[in-house]
Amino acid sequence: DAGVIQSPRHEVTEMGQEVTLRCKPISGHNSLFWYRQTMMRGLELLIYFNNNVPIDDSGMPEDRFSAKMPNASFSTLKIQPSEPRDSAVYFCASTFAGQGYGYTFGSGTRLTVV
Amino acid sequence: GENVEQHPSTLSVQEGDSAVIKCTYSDSASNYFPWYKQELGKGPQLIIDIRSNVGEKKDQRIAVTLNKTAKHFSLHITETQPEDSAVYFCAASANDMRFGAGTRLTVKP
Repeated sequence: DAGVIQSPRHEVTEMGQEVTLRCKPISGHNSLFWYRQTMMRGLELLIYFNNNVPIDDSGMPEDRFSAKMPNASFSTLKIQPSEPRDSAVYFCASTFAGQGYGYTFGSGTRLTVV
Repeated sequence: GENVEQHPSTLSVQEGDSAVIKCTYSDSASNYFPWYKQELGKGPQLIIDIRSNVGEKKDQRIAVTLNKTAKHFSLHITETQPEDSAVYFCAASANDMRFGAGTRLTVKP
């Protein structure tokens, strides 16, 4: 298995532009999580899905952030419009059942908003 | 919701010494406690985990202990090696997983 695949690995964009981050979870996993990592705030859970349905999006910072999971093998995290304070590493993780099992993380997308 | 605190934030040890990282959690419903290792430029990787019905678990040089009454758990690395240098995260899971702030471990050769 190729693991959790995220793209792009790096993204540099100008303030105000739309940014879309992509994630392919491990085949067979039914839970998917989006995390943001910064030096100041550590690993923050943004949103998670069970069986493609968003369960908890209370960690999404504001309406500029949105996430979708149209099928079991693909998810996106969109920021529109982007701001410099959105600069961070965004991780996607997946697991089976969502509770009581370790998560497998992707390699992350390093986002820089200038 | 769950709140996980982790200490220390940085830890420097000599090669061959032991390293201990401690975490506390707040949600008594949490029943799964994994530990992750994150190397530079990579995502966190699961290295060991423990469930609430177990007090201790060991895997070669790594061991975890859990005290449910006190709501704390610890990671122990023995005979540390330079390749153990990384950031380590504890986590606690009830409905979703919450992470500690991380410990940057440096093993000096």
